[in-house]
Amino acid sequence: KAGVTQTPRYLIKTRGQQVTLSCSPISGHRSVSWYQQTPGQGLQFLFEYFSETQRNKGNFPGRFSGRQFSNSRSEMNVSTLELGDSALYLCASSLGWGPDTQYFGPGTRLTVL
Amino acid sequence: AQTVTQSQPEMSVQEAETVTLSCTYDTSESDYYLFWYKQPPSRQMILVIRQEAYKQQNATENRFSVNFQKAAKSFSLKISDSQLGDAAMYFCASRIQGAQKLVFGQGTRLTINP
Repeated sequence: KAGVTQTPRYLIKTRGQQVTLSCSPISGHRSVSWYQQTPGQGLQFLFEYFSETQRNKGNFPGRFSGRQFSNSRSEMNVSTLELGDSALYLCASSLGWGPDTQYFGPGTRLTVL
Repeated sequence: AQTVTQSQPEMSVQEAETVTLSCTYDTSESDYYLFWYKQPPSRQMILVIRQEAYKQQNATENRFSVNFQKAAKSFSLKISDSQLGDAAMYFCASRIQGAQKLVFGQGTRLTINP
């Protein structure tokens, strides 16, 4: 079974632009979570989705948004990019909303210039 | 609020020896899960081991085992017979029942010396 896939793997943008990152969960998984990883702040939770509904959101500004589609694929969008948004963005999927283990994708490395 | 603390930014061990990585956590919830994830230079986050808080028995996965001390809110990872491929960043994480959100510690960079 294929793992979690994230596209693109690398992205370079300039300040003020917007970006959309995509995450395809493991087949059959219905829950998707997003995390931001930076050297200074470590791993921070962004949002989690189940059955197209956002169930929880981390402490990030409104410039960060996301959604989940009926096939469980998820996208996150960052508008008006800032230098501090440069990070590795990780997506994780799990089977449902219970105690299932989350499996991570390879991440998208975003660089904001 | 949940917090996870890893007090060892770096650890090193000789190949074939045993090493223990420390983790403490705090939560007001009674039902939660604890995890150790490994992140090699490829940056792919890989699950090493998980522990359900309601289980008294410590989890084991081959060379990896945990020492779960619920009262002390301690969750350490023991790696036996260390191999070069074990070199990575190791993250301790917690998750409460009813949510998918993982709260991570700061990580411990493990180096294996041949």
